[in-house]
Amino acid sequence: RKEVEQDPGPFNVPEGATVAFNCTYSNSASQSFFWYRQDCRKEPKLLMSVYSSGNEDGRFTAQLNRASQYISLLIRDSKLSDSATYLCVVNFTGGGNKLTFGTGTQLKVEL
Amino acid sequence: GAVVSQHPSWVICKSGTSVKIECRSLDFQATTMFWYRQFPKQSLMLMATSNEGSKATYEQGVEKDKFLINHASLTLSTLTVTSAHPEDSSFYICSARATGSSNQPQHFGDGTRLSIL
Repeated sequence: RKEVEQDPGPFNVPEGATVAFNCTYSNSASQSFFWYRQDCRKEPKLLMSVYSSGNEDGRFTAQLNRASQYISLLIRDSKLSDSATYLCVVNFTGGGNKLTFGTGTQLKVEL
Repeated sequence: GAVVSQHPSWVICKSGTSVKIECRSLDFQATTMFWYRQFPKQSLMLMATSNEGSKATYEQGVEKDKFLINHASLTLSTLTVTSAHPEDSSFYICSARATGSSNQPQHFGDGTRLSIL
């Protein structure tokens, strides 16, 4: 079983749609969680950190469920510019604070 | 925000050449930097953790004599791919985390696309 699992997609959605991505992680001792965005042939860029209380940044909402070892990202009113691969990233406690990346979920927003 | 600069962004060279990639934290000090590799349609895989003033810690399966890492200052780490071969062609990305913030996100460099002919 992969340490961080994501549905690779692609998710093809019309502009203005709401789309949700899920991610599960295997190590219950995981410490911190992030969503990164990666455009084609570019480096990952931090989108947001994820907390148990949930956090929102504009059209983006992230949630963490520690009991289920599950992370989600919700994008509302999607824009063409949201098209990218979204990476679920986990920092495992005791792992030397190294990040473990999911393979990413590809989103394509269309007119 | 935190800025990490990586250079060069693109390298094409002949098999057997050694290639050096630089990673700099521009507006913060980074005791620890990370080197990743990403093959097409795959996730980023950590190659090694670069520690300022000490030896790098390599992940299982990564040859330390093949991928030389030097972290001589708090703002610069270098990765040298020695005697590169076509199978070393990949997207190499560094990241850095500000000193004293182990739970904070890492900030990534622009990446270096390495193509070995």
